[in-house]
Amino acid sequence: LAKTTQPISMDSYEGQEVNITCSHNNIATNDYITWYQQFPSQGPRFIIQGYKTKVTNEVASLFIPADRKSSTLSLPRVSLSDTAVYYCLVGLRAGGFKTIFGAGTRLFVKA
Amino acid sequence: NAGVTQTPKFRVLKTGQSMTLLCAQDMNHEYMYWYRQDPGMGLRLIHYSVGEGTTAKGEVPDGYNVSRLKKQNFLLGLESAAPSQTSVYFCASSYQGGSGNEQFFGPGTRLTVL
Repeated sequence: LAKTTQPISMDSYEGQEVNITCSHNNIATNDYITWYQQFPSQGPRFIIQGYKTKVTNEVASLFIPADRKSSTLSLPRVSLSDTAVYYCLVGLRAGGFKTIFGAGTRLFVKA
Repeated sequence: NAGVTQTPKFRVLKTGQSMTLLCAQDMNHEYMYWYRQDPGMGLRLIHYSVGEGTTAKGEVPDGYNVSRLKKQNFLLGLESAAPSQTSVYFCASSYQGGSGNEQFFGPGTRLTVL
């Protein structure tokens, strides 16, 4: 499994764009990059997934450079309710069995 | 669809007591997982199952047993609870296995062992 590294914590203000970068130097050819969001006292929730270039949905955007050794989760115009822990995972979509959640990035949005 | 449900939501045990946590999913997923999450830390995989009747060890399996007798249910047992097992336990399921497959999580069970 590819090891991931992300900042432990980040602070932001309401209305700002937040970018959280994840490093995954050992990513394999068939690995996908997946981000989860976890609010206090809740289980993690899938946000977005990508393989290369850019992916966008109603919640976030995911930017993946050509070498795929890192990825950036972008949250546009955050609000107080975006305060959560964000996890970056790298792995196969099928065939692999184990999942590794690191400590994640704790985002705190201030008013 | 209820998604993934967990029973109970809270439990307090004394050292040495046993209990079973129940996880149920109604999405017909093959893969199911049990994680524990300690304060300020990420999730650690305890056991997982790749289908009905199968189980396998994760990162931190010691002190826990699991069973998957029915596809929709995944049970986590503590035979002799220890204070070190105080944690929040999350169950999850996915259509296929691996970090690249979306996992759906339950609301968690908060367990305290005195």
